[in-house]
Amino acid sequence: GDSVTQMEGPVTLSEEAFLTINCTYTATGYPSLFWYVQYPGEGLQLLLKATKADDKGSNKGFEATYRKETTSFHLEKGSVQVSDSAVYFCALSDGTDKLIFGTGTRLQVFP
Amino acid sequence: EPEVTQTPSHQVTQMGQEVILRCVPISNHLYFYWYRQILGQKVEFLVSFYNNEISEKSEIFDDQFSVERPDGSNFTLKIRSTKLEDSAMYFCASSVLATKLNEQFFGPGTRLTVL
Repeated sequence: GDSVTQMEGPVTLSEEAFLTINCTYTATGYPSLFWYVQYPGEGLQLLLKATKADDKGSNKGFEATYRKETTSFHLEKGSVQVSDSAVYFCALSDGTDKLIFGTGTRLQVFP
Repeated sequence: EPEVTQTPSHQVTQMGQEVILRCVPISNHLYFYWYRQILGQKVEFLVSFYNNEISEKSEIFDDQFSVERPDGSNFTLKIRSTKLEDSAMYFCASSVLATKLNEQFFGPGTRLTVL
């Protein structure tokens, strides 16, 4: 079945460092891809999405490009802030009701 | 900004007891979902609900689980006889539509601990 694999965390960075969180997927069709973020004590919030190959989703300085050839959707940010500390979830939707998530990657940014 | 709310934030129960987890989805949304995350594992889909019926359910969602929309605002998940392995964070979500383009909005979760 469809699945999502994320790099394990925690990822620990200093403020203003470059961030990459890897995400790869397995799907039989043409899924939509998502990054959700969970700040402490809050629900999962949609960070960005891409619905077809070569689409780039972006929001709040974060970007991810839908790469069909490598089945990847890596999350990047050029300069992280302490306020970006959270858990990041990669997910896909294959057109059925459900989202299929990865395990989540905890990001810790220190000043 | 409208948001999905869940109560309680943390529930502790004894094995074999029934629990009801409550959610208030966003008011104009039509599709409702429950997911769970066992500590250190993936967020897993449990069930989706539309028009007062289960739309889709996973293998996890066995006869011990049920969902209900008892009124116009609440959406509940009941576990009839809890097991130790039901300990997890349970997330409720809602969406306007149920297509792969559509955003699901999540609540903050209920942490269920079964002793």
